[in-house]
Amino acid sequence: AQSVSQHNHHVILSEAASLELGCNYSYGGTVNLFWYVQYPGQHLQLLLKYFSGDPLVKGIKGFEAEFIKSKFSFNLRKPSVQWSDTAEYFCAVKDLWGYNKLIFGAGTRLAVHP
Amino acid sequence: NAGVTQTPKFRVLKTGQSMTLLCAQDMNHEYMYWYRQDPGMGLRLIHYSVGEGTTAKGEVPDGYNVSRLKKQNFLLGLESAAPSQTSVYFCASSSAGGPNTGELFFGEGSRLTVL
Repeated sequence: AQSVSQHNHHVILSEAASLELGCNYSYGGTVNLFWYVQYPGQHLQLLLKYFSGDPLVKGIKGFEAEFIKSKFSFNLRKPSVQWSDTAEYFCAVKDLWGYNKLIFGAGTRLAVHP
Repeated sequence: NAGVTQTPKFRVLKTGQSMTLLCAQDMNHEYMYWYRQDPGMGLRLIHYSVGEGTTAKGEVPDGYNVSRLKKQNFLLGLESAAPSQTSVYFCASSSAGGPNTGELFFGEGSRLTVL
């Protein structure tokens, strides 16, 4: 079965620092990949998604992610974080068996200090 | 548009009690899902539905039942609640669409505590 690994469970950064959150998935074929964000007390929102084409995907709020097929990775990046980026970030892969079911990683909790 | 709405937002149950969580979406989506979120485990799929009158099991279906009598509603039931079902429950919906869709739209979550 497919699985998603997020290696960093907790990340603490100061404002203006650069961010990179790791995500690896297990399946080697065609994949659809997502990053969702959950701000404190809120529901999950889509940050960005990759289906095909340019492996560098740009999302909302200055986030981007790079799909590297050879490494089974889809890491999330932001050059300069803000306090408002404090949230939990989830990487997800679309299940092979369809119906848009997503398999989520365990999440990375990011705290940004002013 | 309200998007995906879940009720109730919070609930405390005693072991053995039953309850139903209601999810409603106004986006005319074909697919609907129930996930549970637990610390350090991300979101895990409980049940899902690909259309009115259909349901299917996800990764962690035991102890839950679901029904989709109307396209816009997806109910999650706990017949006999257990402390292991203490969690935050998220409903989501998505359009069947083509191969480049797949985005899920989530509700705000329902926090359930079973004592």
